[in-house]
Amino acid sequence: AQSVAQPEDQVNVAEGNPLTVKCTYSVSGNPYLFWYVQYPNRGLQFLLKYITGDNLVKGSYGFEAEFNKSQTSFHLKKPSALVSDSALYFCAVLRAGKSTFGDGTTLTVKP
Amino acid sequence: DTGVSQDPRHKITKRGQNVTFRCDPISEHNRLYWYRQTLGQGPEFLTYFQNEAQLEKSRLLSDRFSAERPKGSFSTLEIQRTEQGDSAMYLCASSSPRITTDTQYFGPGTRLTVL
Repeated sequence: AQSVAQPEDQVNVAEGNPLTVKCTYSVSGNPYLFWYVQYPNRGLQFLLKYITGDNLVKGSYGFEAEFNKSQTSFHLKKPSALVSDSALYFCAVLRAGKSTFGDGTTLTVKP
Repeated sequence: DTGVSQDPRHKITKRGQNVTFRCDPISEHNRLYWYRQTLGQGPEFLTYFQNEAQLEKSRLLSDRFSAERPKGSFSTLEIQRTEQGDSAMYLCASSSPRITTDTQYFGPGTRLTVL
């Protein structure tokens, strides 16, 4: 069975500061890893993914994520947070056609 | 390409009634997924189609739930004899191993309320 853990329900940062949203996973074999963002009353929007290759993946809106195989982690990062980044973020693992999502982390960026 | 669309966006029904939702995927995508999302949780996988074949079905999908994708294009999800516990957001996503490396693109969802 595959699983995803997002250990923080809420992350608060000040605008302009770096942000990190944590994700760890458990899956057999080599997974595809994803980050999605969800704004209120909207569907999930794709941010970035790791398939293979460079462990640092760059995505939309200045976000990036670092794949760490030994720690089975895929943390989402951004060097300088914006108020407009405030939203619900989901980490997901895809293996053999089946996706498993974490329970989400609410990011609040304060001016 | 207008993205994944879902219809209706909202559905209110009484317990015991049947409901059907529709999902139109991005046209070049051969894979289609259904998820259920409740407040405070991430999307839970329900089922997945490759073209018209239903390849995987979660244990969450009880006998009251059925999904079809008859021509490998749009899909329907039917819930029979709805229960209050079925109240949730139902999300549809599509992908293509060839075009998107299986990145799933989501529709806006159908919010179901069972009274």
